[in-house]
Formats: sequence, C-alpha cells, structure tokens
Amino acid sequence: DGGITQSPKYLFRKEGQNVTLSCEQNLNHDAMYWYRQDPGQGLRLIYYSQIVNDFQKGDIAEGYSVSREKKESFPLTVTSAQKNPTAFYLCASSSLSSGGWVSYNEQFFGPGTRLTVL
Amino acid sequence: KQEVTQIPAALSVPEGENLVLNCSFTDSAIYNLQWFRQDPGKGLTSLLLIQSSQREQTSGRLNASLDKSSGRSTLYIAASQPGDSATYLCAVRRISGTYKYIFGTGTRLKVLA
Repeated sequence: DGGITQSPKYLFRKEGQNVTLSCEQNLNHDAMYWYRQDPGQGLRLIYYSQIVNDFQKGDIAEGYSVSREKKESFPLTVTSAQKNPTAFYLCASSSLSSGGWVSYNEQFFGPGTRLTVL
Repeated sequence: KQEVTQIPAALSVPEGENLVLNCSFTDSAIYNLQWFRQDPGKGLTSLLLIQSSQREQTSGRLNASLDKSSGRSTLYIAASQPGDSATYLCAVRRISGTYKYIFGTGTRLKVLA
C-alpha cells in the first residue's frame, strides 16, 4: 500500500525542548517537502530535498532542521529556537521524472502531525 | 515574487449546484498547477494536476482549467454533494529549476443538503 506516513499524529512539546517529526514514503519519490499550516493561512515551505544528503531552506526555515540520509525518510526537528511552533505540519513528496505516463511533479501529502507547545 | 490568491475564502451552496472555485497567480511563468482538497484536521489530497502546456484536466465531476496569460485557474465541480464539503487549495510550481510550490490560502466549501 503506497503512500506517505507521518508520526506521531499529535505531539506536545515543553518549552526549551527539541522534538522530531517523522516522515516516510514508499512511493520511490526523489523530492520531499515539509510545510507548516496555521489557521486561516496557506501552506508555508520549511525545507525541501531533491536528493539524498542534500536539502534546501524554504521560506520559514529558522528554528527547524532536517536530514535526508535515506531516500524514503525526511525527518523534521523543531528546535527550541522556534518561538512559535504550535501548528499543523505536513510532509509531501513528488517524483522528479518528466514525460511518459507519470504525472510528474505531482505532490502527495501525508496525514500531518499536530504540534502543540505546553 | 509569485503570489497565489483564492477568492472567495468561503462558499456555501445548496446540494446539486454546479460551482466554480478560482485561483489567481501573479507570475505566468509556471511549470504546473495542482488542485488539492483538505478535510478538517487531515492532509491534502491531490485532485488534479495541470501542466503548463495543458488547458484543462478532468476527473469525474471535477474539471480544472488553466489560462496562464491571465494568471488564472478554475476548478469546476458539477452537481455538488455534501461530501464535497472541504477546503480546496491550489498550488503553482515556478518554472525555474527549483521544485518549490506556492500555495493559495484556500476556499472553504460547504455544500448544504
């Protein structure tokens, strides 16, 4: 059953604590993304990765870190430097191939992780 | 800088009505445009993807059109049902070498039974 999984579904963080959100995909996609969603706002890009061991900052990378050691995994760490981390976090992936029958660059999303600061 | 706007922010219609959702973007140099559906507290579900060389895509009761010159895309939903109630978002990928997407803030649709 192909898709993107995120864990945990709900996460609570204490002040000054680092937390890591998991994202795994078995779609064999090259690119993976992390977005943050706040009420009434669109999705904002935190980090993205087009290939293993490489990633780029998005529009709101401050206070976050990522790694891409395996093609199928792209964990996001919310550090204590992120002053307002309460939000809904979404992971996505897409193929980078072009042409043929593949809907290239179509993004697929995981179910999300809701992070709350206590 | 690419900006994506979706108007209206919210919409209520009676069941059975045909409706159109709008997505506007400021830079016509896009690679593709994707429409998504999001149910409360859930992730996004891809509905339709339109490449820059295409004018429209269809899936069941959904039809998405793209007019790059005017910076607009529309999502047409035929014979709306209460199960169509959700937030609909559009996203554009820029034509440059990066694989970044810019999202609109969405239209919250409620179909009344």
